[in-house]
Amino acid sequence: DQQVKQNSPSLSVQEGRISILNCDYTNSMFDYFLWYKKYPAEGPTFLISISSIKDKNEDGRFTVFLNKSAKHLSLHIVPSQPGDSAVYFCAASGINAGNMLTFGGGTRLMVKP
Amino acid sequence: DAGVIQSPRHEVTEMGQEVTLRCKPISGHNSLFWYRQTMMRGLELLIYFNNNVPIDDSGMPEDRFSAKMPNASFSTLKIQPSEPRDSAVYFCASSPRKLESPLHFGNGTRLTVT
Repeated sequence: DQQVKQNSPSLSVQEGRISILNCDYTNSMFDYFLWYKKYPAEGPTFLISISSIKDKNEDGRFTVFLNKSAKHLSLHIVPSQPGDSAVYFCAASGINAGNMLTFGGGTRLMVKP
Repeated sequence: DAGVIQSPRHEVTEMGQEVTLRCKPISGHNSLFWYRQTMMRGLELLIYFNNNVPIDDSGMPEDRFSAKMPNASFSTLKIQPSEPRDSAVYFCASSPRKLESPLHFGNGTRLTVT
């Protein structure tokens, strides 16, 4: 049973436009959420996070939104750049779980020049 | 900071052979995690350690898998005997003890069992 789901395996966006990546979770004990970016042949790298006490966190071109009632979060990239092309993983951590993360299946983002 | 270092980067072995994957976490990080990435299951946690002690190994698929952390700067993941379905990319990650600290991943070991 997947506790973190990314229902879109891939997304294609034109350079300069907004990219929106979505993630749903089922475990109400999750209270900390992260997005990781992964290039081929490399490990995932941390991108941005949000605590459950917030509904929005922004870092440059990246913004994460959290809707706790819907158990949904999204990552917005504005404007999208070709270098953003990668696989994006949503991850969640719960109370008393330390820093142990449960990951979604990933969404491959392709930004076309 | 050299980051998390994993070796080897690639491993090709025959079914039935023993495989040992190695990881050196970032100095000062107290937690270490082993993840496996496959097409079917994505990134799944196998085991994690706090201060060299295994805390949760519920993700270890079978008794063929074992992990050790003899000291704060080294961990191994061993598969004995290996099977073709073990083929995957295995990632090691570390993090500071402080809660809500992101994990730092190594570049992974791509294992192919023929």
